[in-house]
Amino acid sequence: GAVVSQHPSRVICKSGTSVKIECRSLDFQATTMFWYRQFPKQSLMLMATSNEGSKATYEQGVEKDKFLINHASLTLSTLTVTSAHPEDSSFYICSASPSASKETQYFGPGTRLLVL
Amino acid sequence: DAKTTQPTSMDCAEGRAANLPCNHSTISGNEYVYWYRQIHSQGPQYIIHGLKNNETNEMASLIITEDRKSSTLILPHATLRDTAVYYCIVLLNSGGSNYKLTFGKGTLLTVNP
Repeated sequence: GAVVSQHPSRVICKSGTSVKIECRSLDFQATTMFWYRQFPKQSLMLMATSNEGSKATYEQGVEKDKFLINHASLTLSTLTVTSAHPEDSSFYICSASPSASKETQYFGPGTRLLVL
Repeated sequence: DAKTTQPTSMDCAEGRAANLPCNHSTISGNEYVYWYRQIHSQGPQYIIHGLKNNETNEMASLIITEDRKSSTLILPHATLRDTAVYYCIVLLNSGGSNYKLTFGKGTLLTVNP
């Protein structure tokens, strides 16, 4: 149980294009989903917290107009990197907290984004 | 926020127990200790969590000292697939129903054949 998927697992795009990453909780409902970013040899950094049906809460320094988050259902959240640039290349990881156990986060496998 | 301190790296022989320490001397009474691990190029994996009592599940055991200022994650029979970065995290309740995890640098555990 408690499986979280991400799609795509890997994406290469040209500078200036937008990329959408999906995060799904497969066997549980998640009121809250989180989006993290991880640069090489660094730890995970929380980007934003997303609650179903409401606007995401972004961490300091994360541009909400660049990283659009939609959490339209209890099993799906999407992160759209708009007008991607090479410095946005990173490993993007989502996590989901079961509605019945909000303290625990279950992570997706991550999406590796390379912007050329 | 309660901070955690972990060794940067540890080695363990395959089949032996791996004991990963974590200091969290500023932990408050209602903060949990969580352990996650991240195998290279994968998303983190939840391992175990606890408040005061020792906990055990199919993956590991968590031993929390009586004063709660430190804890030890025990992998009873480490395998090569347990090689990963292990994160000890004190859970911050960010208000409402959201619980934010703050990842430090963790401990790189290398299990050797």
